[in-house]
Amino acid sequence: DGGITQSPKYLFRKEGQNVTLSCEQNLNHDAMYWYRQDPGQGLRLIYYSQIVNDFQKGDIAEGYSVSREKKESFPLTVTSAQKNPTAFYLCASTDLFEKLFFGSGTQLSVL
Amino acid sequence: SQKIEQNSEALNIQEGKTATLTCNYTNYSPAYLQWYRQDPGRGPVFLLLIRENEKEKRKERLKVTFDTTLKQSLFHITASQPADSATYLCALDMSGGGADGLTFGKGTHLIIQP
Repeated sequence: DGGITQSPKYLFRKEGQNVTLSCEQNLNHDAMYWYRQDPGQGLRLIYYSQIVNDFQKGDIAEGYSVSREKKESFPLTVTSAQKNPTAFYLCASTDLFEKLFFGSGTQLSVL
Repeated sequence: SQKIEQNSEALNIQEGKTATLTCNYTNYSPAYLQWYRQDPGRGPVFLLLIRENEKEKRKERLKVTFDTTLKQSLFHITASQPADSATYLCALDMSGGGADGLTFGKGTHLIIQP
């Protein structure tokens, strides 16, 4: 089955800690995206990558970092510099830069 | 700045009736507009895409209209069912090329009551 797999489903971060959210896709899509969703809010773009070994900042990149070493993988690190990390994180991909395919999300909470 | 507005309050509709959701945008002329469905704790799922030169698009019980003069899209679900209850998101490509990702509205929470 083709799709996007995000892990873990739930993640807890201690203060001062960096955590990494995994996103893997087997759709052979070139472009991948990370969005953040807060309750009652729209999705906000954190980072995106149109091709391997290249990525760009979205609207709210501060406190986050990404890498794109493989076409299938686009992990997101939430660094200690992100002071309000509690949110639902969504990874997505696309091939024709039109409709997005989303993963099932990771809920990140602060201990 | 570009802005997308959707009905921020929940929309309650009786089963069997037509649900109509609104998406308004400002300061941009997108090449296309998309609608997604999101269930609690899940990622959004693509429903329909309508291009600027299309007035209307249908898929089963779903219908989308796109008025580029009013800068508005309407999303209709006919013969609504309780299983249609979800949050519906409107999304636009604000960058002109699509590769930079979509900009999403806050969504409308639709509740279909039996």
